[in-house]
Amino acid sequence: SSELTQDPAVSVALGQTVRITCQGDSLRSYYASWYQQKPGQAPVLVIYGKNNRPSGIPDRFSGSSSGNTASLTITGAQAEDEADYYCNSRDSSGNIYVFGTGTKVTVL
Amino acid sequence: EVQLVESGGGLVQPGGSLRLSCAASGFTFSSYWMSWVRQAPGKGLEWVANIKQDGSEKYYVDSVKGRFTISRDNAKNSLYLQMNSLRAEDTAVYYCARDQRTAAGTDRFDPWGQGTLVTVSS
Repeated sequence: SSELTQDPAVSVALGQTVRITCQGDSLRSYYASWYQQKPGQAPVLVIYGKNNRPSGIPDRFSGSSSGNTASLTITGAQAEDEADYYCNSRDSSGNIYVFGTGTKVTVL
Repeated sequence: EVQLVESGGGLVQPGGSLRLSCAASGFTFSSYWMSWVRQAPGKGLEWVANIKQDGSEKYYVDSVKGRFTISRDNAKNSLYLQMNSLRAEDTAVYYCARDQRTAAGTDRFDPWGQGTLVTVSS
């Protein structure tokens, strides 16, 4: 099965920009989706496909992809963006899904 | 409002069984794939299994194959996860999620339920 690797933790100053990356071979074939999870809460979808935001997700969240790497960018990070972020994609078989290892974002 | 509500979690001994349920409302349940995702305490998310709209296709993560069975009842708008031969490492919060699987590859899980805790311990 495939693996999706993320940096364990990143920090960003309030109002600045942070990029979270997700690396894996399957990302050459499939788009990643991204999820925000705050302590004690269920994950919430923030980005999917090429760069699609569900309704209600602020436009400071954006996604991109190149080769085997997908990225989630928060432009103008807010205190409420402090959370764990997970990427997800299908594995190389195309039948099952894999989550990334997760990135904890701290807003300073 | 689109909503998913899990139930059935609890404390079970190693080797035991448990059946989780997920009640769906606010959308045409029979039109969507559905997934189970779990999260061990203090750990990351792990996709567990999914099922096609009519139940004709089911996929599982290797660690649960042969022990867990996903099923659905479209007449009752409900998703299930039968868990047998439970192990300590199956201890986790189990979430059900609408699995928007597309041919274009714009897959996503949205929304998610609030989760139900399964604890496997003697």
